[in-house]
Amino acid sequence: GAGVSQSPRYKVAKRGQDVALRCDPISGHVSLFWYQQALGQGPEFLTYFQNEAQLDKSGLPSDRFFAERPEGSVSTLKIQRTQQEDSAVYLCASSLASGGFTGELFFGEGSRLTVL
Amino acid sequence: QKEVEQNSGPLSVPEGAIASLNCTYSDRGSQSFFWYRQYSGKSPELIMFIYSNGDKEDGRFTAQLNKASQYVSLLIRDSQPSDSATYLCAVSRWYGNNRLAFGKGNQVVVIP
Repeated sequence: GAGVSQSPRYKVAKRGQDVALRCDPISGHVSLFWYQQALGQGPEFLTYFQNEAQLDKSGLPSDRFFAERPEGSVSTLKIQRTQQEDSAVYLCASSLASGGFTGELFFGEGSRLTVL
Repeated sequence: QKEVEQNSGPLSVPEGAIASLNCTYSDRGSQSFFWYRQYSGKSPELIMFIYSNGDKEDGRFTAQLNKASQYVSLLIRDSQPSDSATYLCAVSRWYGNNRLAFGKGNQVVVIP
């Protein structure tokens, strides 16, 4: 497909389990973002990649969260030792370039994580 | 203080009326301002962006920016039932979409 693809769409984890969420951005998109959206809230920035470089990870809530994009395309968000407060929808977004005046961020459908 | 505030509760408007949404932001250095629409259970999609003070119109949508008052608004003219969604205001310190700060959103319900 032509859009941003995320998997799994739904994930249920027991507290303490590790999870990995995958994002396949639009082909050729340089910039990739991860956001966390809790129920009834707006998305919260987690981290940003330009190609394979992680330029900003200031939004990651703890050292249990780790993201990578080793070849500058697919990205994985890993959450270790999940806690109930990690329950949220994790949105991946990509754009053709950083900066610029178009400003269009293309979002995937999200991965809904529920931690029991 | 949150970076982006959208404090209005759900907004119900009759079909054909104007829906008005407001957003304030705290970082005076913000340069880029966006409105995203999010249908229930779906991902956000961009509907408007604005960088300069004043109004910007695109079809039935008008974005208004007042940097001195740190205020952004969105008007939806001739509201349609398909406009029923949550509207997210987003702000960035940079031109473009790096590290957007989102508000919590305003739900709009258009009543046929």
